Amino acid sequence: DVKVTQSSRYLVKRTGEKVFLECVQDMDHENMFWYRQDPGLGLRLIYFSYDVKMKEKGDIPEGYSVSREKKERFSLILESASTNQTSMYLCASSLIEGRGPQETQYFGPGTRLLVL
Amino acid sequence: AQSVSQHNHHVILSEAASLELGCNYSYGGTVNLFWYVQYPGQHLQLLLKYFSGDPLVKGIKGFEAEFIKSKFSFNLRKPSVQWSDTAEYFCAVNAGGGSQGNLIFGKGTKLSVKP
Repeated sequence: DVKVTQSSRYLVKRTGEKVFLECVQDMDHENMFWYRQDPGLGLRLIYFSYDVKMKEKGDIPEGYSVSREKKERFSLILESASTNQTSMYLCASSLIEGRGPQETQYFGPGTRLLVL
Repeated sequence: AQSVSQHNHHVILSEAASLELGCNYSYGGTVNLFWYVQYPGQHLQLLLKYFSGDPLVKGIKGFEAEFIKSKFSFNLRKPSVQWSDTAEYFCAVNAGGGSQGNLIFGKGTKLSVKP
C-alpha cells in the first residue's frame, strides 16, 4: 500500500512566522503535490513537482514556496504566514504510468494549520 | 481553462435511498476521470476512476459512475446508501496533452445519510 505521511496533523502559528509542512511518500513516486482544502472551495493546487529539485506552480502559489531535495520528500513553506493561509493542507503523490497523464494520486492525512 | 462542476453542495438522504451525484467538466479532449471520497476525520481516498473502455465504471463499496462523453459528465451512483457512506465526495479530472498528472477538483458534495 502506498503511504503518504505528513509531519503534523495540527499546527498553530502566529502571523509572520515561517512555517514548514513536510510530506514523505514511500512508494518511489515521481510526482508530488500540495493542495489546500477549504470548505466550499474543494481542493486547490498550490505547487507540484515531477522530480527532485523540480517544481511547478499550481493555481494558487502566492505566499508559498516548495522544496524537493529528495525524491520521497516534498516540503511546503509559508515564508510569512498570514491568517488567510489558515486551511487544511493536503499532500499527494503519484506514479507516472508510461509517462502518460493517467496516474492516480494518493493523499496524506492532511495538516490543519491555524494562523493567529 | 478546465473546470469541474459538482451540482450539489450538500445532499441528505435516508438509508436505503438511491444516490446520484452530478459531475460535469469542461474540456474537449481526452480526459481521465476520478471520484475521491473523504470520510469524516480521514484522508482523501480513491473511490473509482475512468481511463478508457467501458464507460460504466465500478468502484469500491458498491459505487459506480458513468462517463457520458456527449454530456461531459461523470455522475456517481449508488443504488442503496448506508449511514457509513456519510462523507464528502470530490470529482476530479485529469486532462490529456501534457498535463503531467495534474488533477482539477470540483468543490465537493457533502453527503449525509440519516440512519
